[in-house]
Amino acid sequence: EIVMTQSPATLSVSPGERATLSCRASQTVNSNLAWYQQKPGQVPRLLFYGASTRATGVPARFSGSGSGTEFTLTISSLQSEDIAVYYCQQYDMWPQTFGQGTKVEIK
Amino acid sequence: EVQLVQSGGEVKKPGESLKISCKVSGYSFTKYWIGWVRQVPGKGLEWVGIFYPGDSDTRYNPSFEGHVTISADKSISTAYLQWRSLKASDTAMYYCARHDHDGDNFFYDYWGQGTLVTVSS
Repeated sequence: EIVMTQSPATLSVSPGERATLSCRASQTVNSNLAWYQQKPGQVPRLLFYGASTRATGVPARFSGSGSGTEFTLTISSLQSEDIAVYYCQQYDMWPQTFGQGTKVEIK
Repeated sequence: EVQLVQSGGEVKKPGESLKISCKVSGYSFTKYWIGWVRQVPGKGLEWVGIFYPGDSDTRYNPSFEGHVTISADKSISTAYLQWRSLKASDTAMYYCARHDHDGDNFFYDYWGQGTLVTVSS
């Protein structure tokens, strides 16, 4: 199976600063990657698919990039409501696999 | 409005069987795959498997295959995740989610509220 590795495990960012989250695949997944946000006590929410296509309602401060084995989720100006765990997921091959998550917290 | 409503939390003993459900509404049940995702308390998301109600095509994560069964009843637009013999390590929140696509891209766009399964002697 394809192993998805996210870094860092925890990211502390000051409000208004940029947050950069990384996701690496153990083999190429082309652009078949999605990002999900899970706020405390909530259900996961789709942010991006196709590595960079923003889902409906996702604020423009969020952006996704990458292809192959290296992907990035960027929050250009962190807001308090962005505190969450972010997961990448590949759907290029069965079984689909998630990364272990990056927790974003306010510094 | 698309909705996925899951059955309530369960407390079971090791070795017992269990079937949890995910009733969908607001879209054509047979046109979309339904996936199941596990989340152990305080941990990350794990993909359990996926089911296509249109033709019953099923794919499992090898880590779960043989231990869980995914199925559906098209007549009531409901998907199921079941165990014949639960283990304490099955204790987790289980989510169902609709698997949509945009061209060749696939994603989980609507999620159930989750079913907490607790297995303890």
